[in-house]
Amino acid sequence: QVELQESGPGLVKPSETLSLTCTVSGGSISGYYWTWIRQPPGKGIEWIGYIYYSGGTNYNPSLKSRVTISVDTSKNQFSLILRSVTAADTAVYYCARDATRGGDFDYWGQGTLVTVSS
Amino acid sequence: DIQMTQSPSSVSASVGDRVTITCRASQSISSYLNWYQQKPGKAPQLLIHAASSLQSGVPSRFSGSGSGTDFTLSISSLQPEDFATYFCQQSYITPRTFGQGTKLENK
Repeated sequence: QVELQESGPGLVKPSETLSLTCTVSGGSISGYYWTWIRQPPGKGIEWIGYIYYSGGTNYNPSLKSRVTISVDTSKNQFSLILRSVTAADTAVYYCARDATRGGDFDYWGQGTLVTVSS
Repeated sequence: DIQMTQSPSSVSASVGDRVTITCRASQSISSYLNWYQQKPGKAPQLLIHAASSLQSGVPSRFSGSGSGTDFTLSISSLQPEDFATYFCQQSYITPRTFGQGTKLENK
């Protein structure tokens, strides 16, 4: 059974950088696209972007200038960096696996709340 | 971006009822439509992929239909554990986009 677990600081100051890591267990990171998704409290869901296990990326244009997603296959991990954060970036951040059959997300992490506040 | 619009935003129903939720895309997405269930404090869970394919392990009372721009999620006989929020998501192009959600409440 594939499991994903997000880790990283729960509080980030405005204008600083948000950094999260997703650790994949129970399966290999190879052969799949790996995705970051966020959900502000009480609001809808926003796709941030994905990375293929070999390193190719695709980002949401609304965040592209501030986002970097990277992968470390030796650790079965992938990571999210979001620069110059504001209060609008406060959200639950999820990592998820793209099933690759058609862009649905079949496994998700539990999510981690990141609050942007001084 | 493709806009996904769900209706209704909320619905009240009782155990045993049949419920239908609608999702409309702002342009044709063929059958690249997925449905998720989310319970409070939990991650979304995939129910249906490719508009009508039931994800492994999901009860058969859930079904999906549609193609092009109009899609539906149906629950044939509501169970207590089905009260949750439901989201549609298009996977036709990037950026992937989600509907705003439909909250299914116990009447």
